[in-house]
Amino acid sequence: AQSVTQLGSHVSVSEGALVLLRCNYSSSVPPYLFWYVQYPNQGLQLLLKYTSAATLVKGINGFEAEFKKSETSFHLTKPSAHMSDAAEYFCAVRNNQGGKLIFGQGTELSVKP
Amino acid sequence: GAVVSQHPSRVICKSGTSVKIECRSLDFQATTMFWYRQFPKQSLMLMATSNEGSKATYEQGVEKDKFLINHASLTLSTLTVTSAHPEDSSFYICSAWRGSYNEQFFGPGTRLTVL
Repeated sequence: AQSVTQLGSHVSVSEGALVLLRCNYSSSVPPYLFWYVQYPNQGLQLLLKYTSAATLVKGINGFEAEFKKSETSFHLTKPSAHMSDAAEYFCAVRNNQGGKLIFGQGTELSVKP
Repeated sequence: GAVVSQHPSRVICKSGTSVKIECRSLDFQATTMFWYRQFPKQSLMLMATSNEGSKATYEQGVEKDKFLINHASLTLSTLTVTSAHPEDSSFYICSAWRGSYNEQFFGPGTRLTVL
């Protein structure tokens, strides 16, 4: 069965600092991996996805993630945090086309001025 | 990107009443839609997978008689919470699968409060 674990339910960074949100997955087959962002009382917006092409995936708003099979990780990074990045971030795994998504617990990112 | 809408965005109802939530894919046809439930400060939990023209597939522990799902067209799925109780209060989010994009597109969510 597929699963994802997000390390750290809350991450706080200063504006301009590096953002690193951790995600480890478990999957018996090559996974599709996703990062979503959720602002309060809103739905989810896709930041980026890994679908077995390039291992370094670039997404929207300056975010990127690297798929590391040996570490079963798909950590999300952004070189310089902006106040508008403050939100909840979810890592998710899907094992086949059209298949259901399995979400991690979420990480709340706070950005201090 | 694709647009998925939900209606209503917010609903307050009395205990024992039924509430219907609509999920529409506005610019594409979706043979598959998903319904999620999210409690405060928690992750999304899949409730059911809705396939156009067939019965929904419910996740373990989800009462199918309480959460009725209908997917009558390629652009509309509805979730009806029957005989709602305060413990059903939650944020309900739908998503629609778009095959050409190989991903799900999420609606903005519906906040249900049962008094």
